[in-house]
Amino acid sequence: KAGVTQTPRYLIKTRGQQVTLSCSPISGHRSVSWYQQTPGQGLQFLFEYFSETQRNKGNFPGRFSGRQFSNSRSEMNVSTLELGDSALYLCASSLGLRSGEQFFGPGTRLTVL
Amino acid sequence: AQKITQTQPGMFVQEKEAVTLDCTYDTSDPSYGLFWYKQPSSGEMIFLIYQGSYDQQNATEGRYSLNFQKARKSANLVISASQLGDSAMYFCAMREGAGGTSYGKLTFGQGTILTVHP
Repeated sequence: KAGVTQTPRYLIKTRGQQVTLSCSPISGHRSVSWYQQTPGQGLQFLFEYFSETQRNKGNFPGRFSGRQFSNSRSEMNVSTLELGDSALYLCASSLGLRSGEQFFGPGTRLTVL
Repeated sequence: AQKITQTQPGMFVQEKEAVTLDCTYDTSDPSYGLFWYKQPSSGEMIFLIYQGSYDQQNATEGRYSLNFQKARKSANLVISASQLGDSAMYFCAMREGAGGTSYGKLTFGQGTILTVHP
């Protein structure tokens, strides 16, 4: 069974630009969560989608948004990029049930110049 | 207040020996799940082991076991027979909630860097 895939793996943008990251969950998984990882703040939850609905949201500004499609693939978008948005963005998928483990993708490393 | 605390920024262990990575958590929710992940330098988060708050027995997965002490709110990871490939960052994480509103939200600790010496 294929794992969680994320594209692109690496991205370089400049301040003010916007970026879209993509995540394809494990087949059959309906929940997709996004996390931001930085050296200073560690791993922080961004949001979670289940059946195309945002089910949970972390404490991030409105510049961070996401969506989920009917095939469970998810995208996250960051508008008006700031230097502090440079991070590893990780996507995780799960069945969406209470006891389900979460499996992570390889991440997208975003650098904002 | 920190919900997940990993007090060991770095740990060293000799190859083939066992090592324990500490994790304490804080929650008032009776239903929660505890996870351990391994993150090698490549960045990918690798799921290791899961323990539910109502599980009666400690979870085990191969060389990994979770020493779950509910009253002390600790969920230490024990790696037996360490291998050089175990060198990585290890994260403890928790998911709270019985009502289904936080299935996908994990709260992570700051991590412990494990170095295995030959």
